[in-house]
Amino acid sequence: KQEVTQIPAALSVPEGENLVLNCSFTDSAIYNLQWFRQDPGKGLTSLLLIQSSQREQTSGRLNASLDKSSGRSTLYIAASQPGDSATYLCALTYTNAGKSTFGDGTTLTVKP
Amino acid sequence: DAGITQSPRHKVTETGTPVTLRCHQTENHRYMYWYRQDPGHGLRLIHYSYGVKDTDKGEVSDGYSVSRSKTEDFLLTLESATSSQTSVYFCAISEGREGSYEQYFGPGTRLTVT
Repeated sequence: KQEVTQIPAALSVPEGENLVLNCSFTDSAIYNLQWFRQDPGKGLTSLLLIQSSQREQTSGRLNASLDKSSGRSTLYIAASQPGDSATYLCALTYTNAGKSTFGDGTTLTVKP
Repeated sequence: DAGITQSPRHKVTETGTPVTLRCHQTENHRYMYWYRQDPGHGLRLIHYSYGVKDTDKGEVSDGYSVSRSKTEDFLLTLESATSSQTSVYFCAISEGREGSYEQYFGPGTRLTVT
């Protein structure tokens, strides 16, 4: 069974800092890895998707990488802003029907 | 906005009563999913659908049933609600094109079973 771990569970940084969120998984047989953002009381917003054959994806200040051999993905956020404060979740899709396992998330607080 | 709506958005019900949650999409995506999100457990898959009338169980399907009679609608039914089913329920959709299963989520339904 695919296990997905996100460490740390919470992170607090000052505004402007670059930061890295981590996602570890146990089974490299995946279709894709997806990073989401969730604001309190809201649904999940898709940030980036990396297909199994890809190594990284970028969108604005966000860069996500995928290393299947080590079972790791990272989400890099450049020049963090208070508006980046949210919970960030990673999800691994492991079947051809899109079944996914989610990590518990990292709650990020960016202080002004 | 991925064109996903969930209804109701909030519901309080009593133990033992049946409850049906609705997910509606306007994207004509093939795959639809129901998740529950609980503190300490993260997001867990309840049931999913890979086409009209084609559904299968997820990891926490006991006590839940689903139906999909049209591409755009996916219903989740709690046959006899229990307090352990108090949770936030999310619907998600995916096109599943070219081996990529990017998922888009609805706004969620907060269900309280008293």
